[in-house]
Amino acid sequence: GEDVEQSLFLSVREGDSSVINCTYTDSSSTYLYWYKQEPGAGLQLLTYIFSNMDMKQDQRLTVLLNKKDKHLSLRIADTQTGDSAIYFCAEKEAGGYNKLIFGAGTRLAVHP
Amino acid sequence: EAQVTQNPRYLITVTGKKLTVTCSQNMNHEYMSWYRQDPGLGLRQIYYSMNVEVTDKGDVPEGYKVSRKEKRNFPLILESPSPNQTSLYFCASSLVGPYEQYFGPGTRLTVT
Repeated sequence: GEDVEQSLFLSVREGDSSVINCTYTDSSSTYLYWYKQEPGAGLQLLTYIFSNMDMKQDQRLTVLLNKKDKHLSLRIADTQTGDSAIYFCAEKEAGGYNKLIFGAGTRLAVHP
Repeated sequence: EAQVTQNPRYLITVTGKKLTVTCSQNMNHEYMSWYRQDPGLGLRQIYYSMNVEVTDKGDVPEGYKVSRKEKRNFPLILESPSPNQTSLYFCASSLVGPYEQYFGPGTRLTVT
């Protein structure tokens, strides 16, 4: 079945760029998403990319999609302490209505 | 304010004692879904509903029931909870299609 994989931890210094990586298996995925979960809160949609795009930029966030390698990345420029959270990669299952397949989440720790 | 609410936020119960976690959304969304979040596993879908009186199993439905009698409400029922259902539960809603899913704040359930 479909699978989404992410590394579990990432530690960066404040002001540096963070890059969170994700791989997925369903080549027919139509949309790929990045969600952010802050401590004690639900998930909040950060950004998404349609499968016919290679890149999407939104302020400090840059999403890169390599369809050949089924690899998705989220780059956060000028990372701040407020960016500390768990980041989930998710793919919309093809033909699965609204069903999302989530990765395990990457915990981003930002230190001074 | 557009939101998804869940109650209770925290619950400690004993094995076999029936419980219900409520979920309500005020955005007139057709689609609603329940997920559970476990460390290292990300979010896994339990049940979903495409509209009133239309529900279907997700990836991990065993031990759970749902109902959708009204568009705004989608309660999750555990008829006979067991310790392996100790988890963090999220309700989500969206319009049907590749639209943002809005998540509730989560319910942390402990079954002893």
